[in-house]
Amino acid sequence: GQNIDQPTEMTATEGAIVQINCTYQTSGFNGLFWYQQHAGEAPTFLSYNVLDGLEEKGRFSSFLSRSKGYSYLLLKELQMKDSASYLCAVLDSNYQLIWGAGTKLIIKP
Amino acid sequence: ETGVTQTPRHLVMGMTNKKSLKCEQHLGHNAMYWYKQSAKKPLELMFVYNFKEQTENNSVPSRFSPECPNSSHLFLHLHTLQPEDSALYLCASSPSLGGGEIDTQYFGPGTRLTVL
Repeated sequence: GQNIDQPTEMTATEGAIVQINCTYQTSGFNGLFWYQQHAGEAPTFLSYNVLDGLEEKGRFSSFLSRSKGYSYLLLKELQMKDSASYLCAVLDSNYQLIWGAGTKLIIKP
Repeated sequence: ETGVTQTPRHLVMGMTNKKSLKCEQHLGHNAMYWYKQSAKKPLELMFVYNFKEQTENNSVPSRFSPECPNSSHLFLHLHTLQPEDSALYLCASSPSLGGGEIDTQYFGPGTRLTVL
């Protein structure tokens, strides 16, 4: 079966750095997405990786290793507004998104 | 604002009721999706429409009936639901079904459904 694993919950301090990991086992791979979802709101697109390596977008970076079936989302200079759930999703061989259950990130002052 | 709107935002219904969820996208996209999001579970894809034609039905019970009259509007008709159907129902759209970053899905805020 297809599976995406990410930690259920993480806690970090304002101003610090946090890394959210995602491991996947899917039938085929056509890219990996990270979304942010604040409570009661729509998931919003953060990043897309299809080649190995690091993609940087301001305070957020996303890394992919296809050989290891592994990705992480790195958030720097954490702000209180970064408190949200972060969803990892893989586009499989049928171009269907397979989703993880999400990681709830709690930021403390 | 993501360009995808959903109404109503909250809905409480009995098991014998019939109701409909509405989704509208203002992005000029051709593909639209219905997802179910339950607490601490991955998003479950329910239906996919591409150019108004249904391309995916992920073994969804017949008490959920989708309708896509045009590329901008998507409905989910509900009847004789069960309490375990209580969840957040999300609508999304993308330019096409091609995949890749260009076909990133954009989500609406969802309808929080409670079945009594």
